Amino acid sequence: EADIYQTPRYLVIGTGKKITLECSQTMGHDKMYWYQQDPGMELHLIHYSYGVNSTEKGDLSSESTVSRIRTEHFPLTLESARPSHTSQYLCASSHGQGSGDTQYFGPGTRLTVL
Amino acid sequence: GDSVTQMEGPVTLSEEAFLTINCTYTATGYPSLFWYVQYPGEGLQLLLKATKADDKGSNKGFEATYRKETTSFHLEKGSVQVSDSAVYFCALSQGGSEKLVFGKGMKLTVNP
Repeated sequence: EADIYQTPRYLVIGTGKKITLECSQTMGHDKMYWYQQDPGMELHLIHYSYGVNSTEKGDLSSESTVSRIRTEHFPLTLESARPSHTSQYLCASSHGQGSGDTQYFGPGTRLTVL
Repeated sequence: GDSVTQMEGPVTLSEEAFLTINCTYTATGYPSLFWYVQYPGEGLQLLLKATKADDKGSNKGFEATYRKETTSFHLEKGSVQVSDSAVYFCALSQGGSEKLVFGKGMKLTVNP
């Protein structure tokens, strides 16, 4: 069983608020990822990190930002939430052993911006 | 760029029916291939994977074979159960990167 946690699980906020979605893993994985899952279920990589102080943008442009100050922690921040940010956000991590490596996913945060 | 095309649903089956979910890929090199499953209200979890041609991944009665000649990785199960109701994603990763490219997902509902 994967030890990767996301909080909150559900969040409903008003437009213009700053929010931080938390993601933590206890597996000592170097690589971590954030995906956005739209209502049609499709997954898009929005950020990833290969280790501490490493962050990269993913394939889908996102107004969110991330930081990686500690190996186990990879929070995602939206400075000013908008209704278009309403989505499910999934965090994942992996050992970093190459293309066959398994990614372990958290349970997700479902964000609704009113 | 790399891409994954999988059968779109939703699909509804009766318990004990045979399941096939088609998945084909486009990639320049020799990717690793995965099936992930997402149960209601949860994140994704790995169902099975194959890292080279002709490898067969299997888990929980599901199987998929990496077919390089047809660039396919179809998922099969001989007899589905109600507990198999979920969304199934085919995915690939390429080269030295662990970044996953996902198909659009297929929702399966199994009725008793």
